[in-house]
Amino acid sequence: NAGVIQTPRHKVTGKGQEATLWCEPISGHSAVFWYRQTIVQGLEFLTYFRNQAPIDDSGMPKERFSAQMPNQSHSTLKIQSTQPQDSAVYLCASSLLVGALGNTLYFGEGSRLIVV
Amino acid sequence: GDSVIQMQGQVTLSENDFLFINCTYSTTGYPTLFWYVQYSGEGPQLLLQVTTANNKGSSRGFEATYDKGTTSFHLQKTSVQEIDSAVYYCAMRDCGSFNKLTFGAGTRLAVCP
Repeated sequence: NAGVIQTPRHKVTGKGQEATLWCEPISGHSAVFWYRQTIVQGLEFLTYFRNQAPIDDSGMPKERFSAQMPNQSHSTLKIQSTQPQDSAVYLCASSLLVGALGNTLYFGEGSRLIVV
Repeated sequence: GDSVIQMQGQVTLSENDFLFINCTYSTTGYPTLFWYVQYSGEGPQLLLQVTTANNKGSSRGFEATYDKGTTSFHLQKTSVQEIDSAVYYCAMRDCGSFNKLTFGAGTRLAVCP
């Protein structure tokens, strides 16, 4: 059973360019979460979807960041006009929400974004 | 808003030493508390979940409890091994937040042989 798959694992982009990160949740999981991880801020919640619907995007920067979940098998996080401060590891996680394992978030290995 | 404070940024121990990591939390609701572990190059993975105050959760030799009175929860292991070297995060989910977790800053554990 594959875990959460994130691509690309590493991305280097020039300042001002766009970056798109992909996430494939575990099959059958109804919730998808995006987190950002940096040394300074640690793990920061960005946004999450339940049954593909956006539920809470309170952690998303108001400008340049957007997330979508067009179908149950993938979600994307897009950063427009990337800035050096966007450099981070972006983690995707999925969850069942119900049952004995419903509380558990299963994280992917992350996408490391470097903006130069 | 909800917050989790994890003060110990780095802990260095020798094999067979006792580990104790503490977190405090703040919420207006009824939290479920977690410990996640992150090994180098991987995403965080669930280590323990503690749902009820003063009850213990245990996994892989680790134990976790939380004290509702002091709004604190901790992770301990009697005898750490080198393979336990990782970053440990405490996390909180408020009732009704559909698994949205608030994480502490993380404690990097280095265990020397």
